[in-house]
Amino acid sequence: QVQLQESGPGLVKTSQTLSLTCTVSGGPINHGSHYWTWLRQPAGKGLEWIGHISRTGSTKNNPSLKSRVAMSIDMSQSQFSLRLTSVTAEDRAVYYCARAVRACCDKSSGNFYYYMDVWGTGTTVTVSS
Amino acid sequence: QSVLTQTPSSSGTPGQRVSISCSGSRSNIGSNDVMWYQHFPGTAPKLLVYGSNQRPSGVPDRFSGSKSGSSASLDITGLQSEDEADYYCAAFDDGLGGHMVFGGGTKLTVL
Repeated sequence: QVQLQESGPGLVKTSQTLSLTCTVSGGPINHGSHYWTWLRQPAGKGLEWIGHISRTGSTKNNPSLKSRVAMSIDMSQSQFSLRLTSVTAEDRAVYYCARAVRACCDKSSGNFYYYMDVWGTGTTVTVSS
Repeated sequence: QSVLTQTPSSSGTPGQRVSISCSGSRSNIGSNDVMWYQHFPGTAPKLLVYGSNQRPSGVPDRFSGSKSGSSASLDITGLQSEDEADYYCAAFDDGLGGHMVFGGGTKLTVL
């Protein structure tokens, strides 16, 4: 079955750029109904959605982070990546990658379903000065 | 502060039914479906409910979701000790170009 694994430095200095990669195995990364997603969870806090990228490279980001976030996808390597610039202590968190699925359809509304169904185990990122 | 509001903690005894609530607004729960995730610290969150009331295959029917207006609930019947975990609701928010929002999580304790 599909598995996701985050990788990247566990320690980033304040004001520098955090770079993480998620490797997808056991399934295709180029499916048109999948959106490759980044989320995070600061210690003691809830989950926060960072954004997603499609196979075409189209992205959607959390407005609270938008100007600092860049995502990319490399289908030849079955990987997608996150760059978060100008990090501060508030960016210290466990970062997760996940697969979001857009699937048909709610029988009553006709709306598409959208949900994250496969997650990586998470990687801890610490920010130091 | 999370966009969706959840009670920080809840508890129940084995066999009991518990309900975890999630409150939002017209732009998120009021307009879009809700997802529920079960999270054991240090592991990957698990999808319990999508489409507000749909269960993925493999999720026990003890877990059920519902939505009314701008609020949603996750009901757990026949509570078991292994249900002790953090539970998060999520939904898309139509504001600012559309983005996903989460609740702050509910820590469920099985007494």
